[in-house]
Amino acid sequence: EPEVTQTPSHQVTQMGQEVILRCVPISNHLYFYWYRQILGQKVEFLVSFYNNEISEKSEIFDDQFSVERPDGSNFTLKIRSTKLEDSAMYFCASKTGQGSYEQYFGPGTRLTVT
Amino acid sequence: AQTVTQSQPEMSVQEAETVTLSCTYDTSESDYYLFWYKQPPSRQMILVIRQEAYKQQNATENRFSVNFQKAAKSFSLKISDSQLGDAAMYFCAYRETSGSRLTFGEGTQLTVNP
Repeated sequence: EPEVTQTPSHQVTQMGQEVILRCVPISNHLYFYWYRQILGQKVEFLVSFYNNEISEKSEIFDDQFSVERPDGSNFTLKIRSTKLEDSAMYFCASKTGQGSYEQYFGPGTRLTVT
Repeated sequence: AQTVTQSQPEMSVQEAETVTLSCTYDTSESDYYLFWYKQPPSRQMILVIRQEAYKQQNATENRFSVNFQKAAKSFSLKISDSQLGDAAMYFCAYRETSGSRLTFGEGTQLTVNP
């Protein structure tokens, strides 16, 4: 069964560095999402992406964050200058179309900012 | 803003028994979707069951069923004949009909005892 994949599984970076988290959504899916979960807190929505543009973003998704679909398969989240509070598990998700209910989640990337 | 609350951080159940996980939410919308997601130790969230708010009938998927009380804004998950493989973190989530972002509860860690 097709799955959403994410790389790397764990990323350690120093404060102030740029990181790119990568996701490969399911191939026929059109809507893409990033969520994050800080340890001990709720899973929070960051951004949704459709037709090569952001369709919705949360207040967390400030100018330090950007998303891109650089080719037909990858979907990336870039954090320009990481802060300690960016340490979290980042989940990518995708779904087929506007009428579909289910978002399919990847296994997550654990980002540790030191 | 919509909020989702799961007041049970941890629950346990004996194998083959039934367990109910609680979820309440707050919204001013009349139409929306509610979901239960399961996150096994491998950390890939998968959809267990969904409920459309306009439907009075409670959703059922094999051993999983919900008790949807719209007026009370309550959405509990019942797992019958619990199996060892049901052990996971369970998240309740809300989505507006017009939007696509999921709003999650805190999660309930379910342990199944043999």
